[in-house]
Amino acid sequence: GAGVSQSPRYKVAKRGQDVALRCDPISGHVSLFWYQQALGQGPEFLTYFQNEAQLDKSGLPSDRFFAERPEGSVSTLKIQRTQQEDSAVYLCASSERTVSYEQYFGPGTRLTVT
Amino acid sequence: EDKVVQSPLSLVVHEGDTVTLNCSYEVTNFRSLLWYKQEKKAPTFLFMLTSSGIEKKSGRLSSILDKKELFSILNITATQTGDSAVYLCAVDQAGTALIFGKGTTLSVSS
Repeated sequence: GAGVSQSPRYKVAKRGQDVALRCDPISGHVSLFWYQQALGQGPEFLTYFQNEAQLDKSGLPSDRFFAERPEGSVSTLKIQRTQQEDSAVYLCASSERTVSYEQYFGPGTRLTVT
Repeated sequence: EDKVVQSPLSLVVHEGDTVTLNCSYEVTNFRSLLWYKQEKKAPTFLFMLTSSGIEKKSGRLSSILDKKELFSILNITATQTGDSAVYLCAVDQAGTALIFGKGTTLSVSS
């Protein structure tokens, strides 16, 4: 079956622009996670959904970051008024269960803010 | 503060060598430790460890967890150039977010 997909794969935005990043999790996966990975670093947690409910958004770096998963499947991460420090790879992962279980990652969206 | 520390940060070996990658952690509400391989794209799952002292193996890769000393190791025997990648260690904290280390970059030369 299909894995986690993300679009776009690459995005270049001018500082101040808004961007929207899409994640299609594996069908039927209950949990969905967003991570930010800066160059040379491990992924850092941004936010977590269980079905359509956003249960944890403690990792979102500022109120310019917003995520939603309105129907419990596809999720969108929106960044408003992008800044250069937002440049990173944004990874989406999904997990079949709500308890400890392996997370499957998408290919990521590489965002470059100029 | 919760943290996961991997060492070394980078490693260069020759094909056929055996390598050991280290991961130590200090987290609250530990549930499991996971190893991922990342090759310029999505991290791919290798192992999930929940119990101390039980080795998990997959081909030339193996891993073990020590919950008393709070660390895990990932061993790769008879390395191949295809093993070149970043190896990420992550701790599952209470079944939600994964806390990742910075990764170990392994380069295997032929």
